[in-house]
Amino acid sequence: GAVVSQHPSWVICKSGTSVKIECRSLDFQATTMFWYRQFPKQSLMLMATSNEGSKATYEQGVEKDKFLINHASLTLSTLTVTSAHPEDSSFYICSAPLGDTEAFFGQGTRLTVV
Amino acid sequence: GQNIDQPTEMTATEGAIVQINCTYQTSGFNGLFWYQQHAGEAPTFLSYNVLDGLEEKGRFSSFLSRSKGYSYLLLKELQMKDSASYLCAVKDSNYQLIWGAGTKLIIKP
Repeated sequence: GAVVSQHPSWVICKSGTSVKIECRSLDFQATTMFWYRQFPKQSLMLMATSNEGSKATYEQGVEKDKFLINHASLTLSTLTVTSAHPEDSSFYICSAPLGDTEAFFGQGTRLTVV
Repeated sequence: GQNIDQPTEMTATEGAIVQINCTYQTSGFNGLFWYQQHAGEAPTFLSYNVLDGLEEKGRFSSFLSRSKGYSYLLLKELQMKDSASYLCAVKDSNYQLIWGAGTKLIIKP
């Protein structure tokens, strides 16, 4: 089946630094990728929709200057958490749709800001 | 507003059958998904329903009634490894996935 690779799987960073998370579709082209954040015991919250060759679409309440998204190619989207703070600590997950019927998820990135 | 409701937690016994319900109110409907998510991992796809009826896939089955805004996921012959959260999600008229909060399923020996 289709595979979406996300890395790093986990990262610990100091407060005020930036962290980049990569999401790659390995065997299919993804013109769209979704970035989610998931806090413990909660469901996935859509942060933004990444579109290849154009600007990302951010959900209400998500700061576009803090969560920078770049979709440079049909197989790669990146999320950069800038000037990270402890409240940004969360599980970040990307997904790429394949047709209308399925979406494949990356492995997720556990971000801890200390 | 858009809403997906599913029970927060369920408990079942190994070898038994469990049904996890999901009701939804969304602006439009373009399919309903069930995902399994183990703690600390990303969700994995289980099933997709867009027409009314039952879809069977091994030990897992998913049912949809569009007129009632209702779906369920049926898990048979439960195994300990089935302990996980089960997420119901609906694709709305904009083809955006609306997620339920998930049902934590606890399997006891």
